[in-house]
Amino acid sequence: QSVLTQPPSVSGTPGQRVTISCSGGSSSIASNTVHWYQQLPGTAPKLLIYANNQRPSGVPDRFSGSKSGTSASLAINGLQSDDEADYYCATWDDSLNGRGVFGGGTKLTVL
Amino acid sequence: QVHLVQSGAAVKKPGSTVMLSCKASGYTFTNYNIIWVRQAPGQGLEWMGWISPYNGDKNYAQKFQGRVNMIADTPTSTAYMELRRLRSDDTAIYFCGRNSYDSSGYGYFDYWGQGALVTISS
Repeated sequence: QSVLTQPPSVSGTPGQRVTISCSGGSSSIASNTVHWYQQLPGTAPKLLIYANNQRPSGVPDRFSGSKSGTSASLAINGLQSDDEADYYCATWDDSLNGRGVFGGGTKLTVL
Repeated sequence: QVHLVQSGAAVKKPGSTVMLSCKASGYTFTNYNIIWVRQAPGQGLEWMGWISPYNGDKNYAQKFQGRVNMIADTPTSTAYMELRRLRSDDTAIYFCGRNSYDSSGYGYFDYWGQGALVTISS
């Protein structure tokens, strides 16, 4: 069982907005920055959002992140078919001696 | 440009040891920690630990304490991850990654290796 809780799946149609939630606790999300990774089938994860809401160069501004208290979320605007992937939130947990933790992952299906 | 290139797939017997490599290029190896993450078939990402190539400091997930050893060879800019006493549930793709830093001090993983499939089978 993951320290961070994500919905197993979300779906949307092209052009829609979808959000993926990530719930943690006082020693994880509340105390540290949250990052999001996109994993396309058969590939390595790719950094999508870092430090709660920062986009690496090359990531479209359709992707945005936010954090409040013990939760974080990833929003995808203008959904596209190639957004279909697994999405993971990640942070660090101070109660685990500063070890890294991932959410269980959310499968995004574009209908 | 930054690259992390991992060693190839491996098939190991239960109880044996696997050592994976991750060769870094395109940046100063000692300036960033290297992390290891694994993904069992059909499952999510699991953080295994990190090593500092700068001073050799390490931090392993509790689950792997006593079975894992991470090494950083600075002359060759190569990180290694050794996992001992392999079990069938260690079958997974193992990824290395570069740990960049943010204001929190811990940071995020901005570059990843391509992954290496390790299969445990008798």
